[in-house]
Amino acid sequence: GENVEQHPSTLSVQEGDSAVIKCTYSDSASNYFPWYKQELGKRPQLIIDIRSNVGEKKDQRIAVTLNKTAKHFSLHITETQPEDSAVYFCAASPNSGYALNFGKGTSLLVTP
Amino acid sequence: DTAVSQTPKYLVTQMGNDKSIKCEQNLGHDTMYWYKQDSKKFLKIMFSYNNKELIINETVPNRFSPKSPDKAHLNLHINSLELGDSAVYFCASSLMSRATNEKLFFGSGTQLSVL
Repeated sequence: GENVEQHPSTLSVQEGDSAVIKCTYSDSASNYFPWYKQELGKRPQLIIDIRSNVGEKKDQRIAVTLNKTAKHFSLHITETQPEDSAVYFCAASPNSGYALNFGKGTSLLVTP
Repeated sequence: DTAVSQTPKYLVTQMGNDKSIKCEQNLGHDTMYWYKQDSKKFLKIMFSYNNKELIINETVPNRFSPKSPDKAHLNLHINSLELGDSAVYFCASSLMSRATNEKLFFGSGTQLSVL
């Protein structure tokens, strides 16, 4: 089945700096790659997603890039703020459909 | 107005007991899921249902039995609870089908503690 690797597991940045989280996937047929943010004690919520026919997508301070050849995708957060502190999960859809397989998460801490 | 609602939010019980978690979605989605989030925050799929039909069963012990009375509901029953079952269980729904992948909408989670 689909295997999603996510790095780093923890990331600490200063407010205003950029943060980058990287993921790789194993199933070359995967075609949907969302990113979720989970604040402490809350549910995961979608922050941005990208499909395999697009190389990059941006939404204000958040951007995602996809390299299908290398089978990796990345989340970029610019001008980080303390409220960006959370656990971020990447995910990929397996060839069989009907599910998302998640990476193990990155705990991002933005210090003022 | 909650899109995906699950109850209870907290569940504290003794080893060996049987318990259920209920989930309902009012989004009109055809596909529903149960995910388990362990203490290390890893989100692992347990089951997915499409129009009341079991699609994915990810090597979950048969003490866990999902039931979908209709496509808006997916309940999870757990028999003979063990210490290792302690985790947060998230219900989710989506428009996902075999032909298209779509985002998941998660419920607020049920924190299960087995003593």
